[in-house]
Order: sequence, then structure tokens, then C-alpha cells
Amino acid sequence: DTEVTQTPKHLVMGMTNKKSLKCEQHMGHRAMYWYKQKAKKPPELMFVYSYEKLSINESVPSRFSPECPNSSLLNLHLHALQPEDSALYLCASSPGQGHGYTFGSGTRLTVV
Amino acid sequence: GIQVEQSPPDLILQEGANSTLRCNFSDSVNNLQWFHQNPWGQLINLFYIPSGTKQNGRLSATTVATERYSLLYISSSQTTDSGVYFCAATNDYKLSFGAGTTVTVRA
Repeated sequence: DTEVTQTPKHLVMGMTNKKSLKCEQHMGHRAMYWYKQKAKKPPELMFVYSYEKLSINESVPSRFSPECPNSSLLNLHLHALQPEDSALYLCASSPGQGHGYTFGSGTRLTVV
Repeated sequence: GIQVEQSPPDLILQEGANSTLRCNFSDSVNNLQWFHQNPWGQLINLFYIPSGTKQNGRLSATTVATERYSLLYISSSQTTDSGVYFCAATNDYKLSFGAGTTVTVRA
């Protein structure tokens, strides 16, 4: 299995809703990442998990809450989002430093 | 983190033409990748190339690490090559992306 699987592919949520994005990989990778991509912009790093521990948080607002239940799973919990949070959310994994990243196909999030 | 600059920002090609995309990066790297993003948002890894030269079909890439640049070559372009090409680099866990090159191949 050489894929990173993200669910759901599309999500529409209200500003008072709570939802979660899910990311799964079975390649034995020990690092997992969340990126946010706005239209016509490059992806921007949000969080890095290394060996199931949060190692980097790029000053992301607390309405985004990551969770790594085990080495194969990465969740992003969403609460009280704003319309400007609408974007493509990409998950990636890598074996560790100095290795290539594999990206999932993303979740396209719309906040209404 | 690493600063990544890509050029040109936009490229329009006639089908069958060859082209070169450039990526400059600000520091030594242990990871440099070229990605193609399709219209649905999927980032497809083309090359993992922190140094050296690789080829995959009509695509090839060269990274000169000592001079901090990488080149992606597209030969005999096809309409399916259209999309955004990103270069991304890191020397730790923060993979940073360039602004991308938008390639349009016309039939």
C-alpha cells in the first residue's frame, strides 16, 4: 500500500459545527503532516507529527486541533471555523527526515 | 525554513514542445521534490531529487545541490501535462513549497 487516504473528500460545515478530517497511511511512515492550501496558492504547513508526537505547530489557531491516535492515523478536529478557513486540506506522510513525502488527495472544506 | 523560488510563473506550450522549469532554494537540503497538482487538487510526486539527475519517461530532473537549484524538463509535451508544477524543499521536517509554475499545453 503506497497511498495516503483522506476522508471525506468534500465537507461543507457551518461556523458552529464540529467536524473531523481523517488521514490514514499503511506505509510504516513515522512522520505525518497537515497542510492547508488556498486557491491559486502553494500548500502551507500546519502541523507535523513525528513518532506520534506533535513536533511542529505553525502558529495555527486553536479552532484546528490535530490528533494522532496511532502511527497510521492522523485526525484534524475542526470547531468554530470561519469562512476564510475554506480551503483544500492535505495530509502527507514520510519515513522521516531526508525522505520523500507522499500526499493524500485532500479534503475540500467549505465553511458557510 | 527554506525559501523556494520557481520560474517562470506561467508557461504556455504547443503540444510536442519541450520546456524547462527552474527551482532555486536558499539553503542546503536533504529533500527536494517536484510535484504535479492536477485540477482536482491531487499532488502527484514526480521526483524525489535532493541531488543528481533522474528520468521518468518524458520527464527528467536535475538538482545541483552545491549551486542550490533544480530543473524539471518536460519533453514532447502533451495536453495531459497541463497543471501546476511545484518544487518543495526542506532540511528538516518543514517541507516548503515554491509558488508553482502553471503549465498550459495547447493542442
